[in-house]
Amino acid sequence: QSALSQPASVSGSPGQSITISCTGTISDIGGSNSVSWYQQFEGKAPRLIIYDVSARPSGISYRFSGSKSGNTASLTISGLQAEDEADFYCSSYATTTSPELLFGGGTKLTVL
Amino acid sequence: QVNVVESGGGVVQPGRSLKVSCVVSGFNFKVFGMHWVRQAPGKGPEWVAFIGSDGTYRYYAESVKGRFIVSRVNSKNTLFLQMNSLRAEDTAVYFCARVRNSYESGTPQRFDRNFYDMDVWGRGATVTVSS
Repeated sequence: QSALSQPASVSGSPGQSITISCTGTISDIGGSNSVSWYQQFEGKAPRLIIYDVSARPSGISYRFSGSKSGNTASLTISGLQAEDEADFYCSSYATTTSPELLFGGGTKLTVL
Repeated sequence: QVNVVESGGGVVQPGRSLKVSCVVSGFNFKVFGMHWVRQAPGKGPEWVAFIGSDGTYRYYAESVKGRFIVSRVNSKNTLFLQMNSLRAEDTAVYFCARVRNSYESGTPQRFDRNFYDMDVWGRGATVTVSS
């Protein structure tokens, strides 16, 4: 069982918007803005698409946006495109007994 | 061009050891902390270890603490993960990944909230622990 909770799957039609949630605790998501999101295509390495809750690395589409409320972070993809279909993972810095990095279990996005 | 390439994966029996390597190019390796992240088949990523830019500070996930050792040789642009007492549950693809923020202070780099996210990843090395 992953430390951060995500829905197993989400789907949407081209042009629509979808939101993926990621729930943690005060020790991780709720305790800082060190939350990131990764997109992963089958057989490939994860790709950073959001960091620090809502910042986008260079080259990442404006259609990807992030937010946070309390212990839950969210990733929104607007204007869905077929090429967005992938697995998405949230990640958060955490401090319990020592620093660590937590990941969510992943959400499979299907573009209908 | 920024590049990260892992090697050294393979099939190993439970209880044995294996060392995977990661060679980087295209950026100043000595000013970046590095992570190892693994992903078991059909599962999400799992953080394994972090090492600061000069190698002084190292941090491990509880699941590997005392069994795995992360190290680096900056003069050779190489990162290592020595895996001992391997278990079936260590079976995974092991990724080497660069921290997004560089670190150029004169003090050794610790793992804090500025160095959690990773912007450059390798393709991974597959490690299978099986008898």
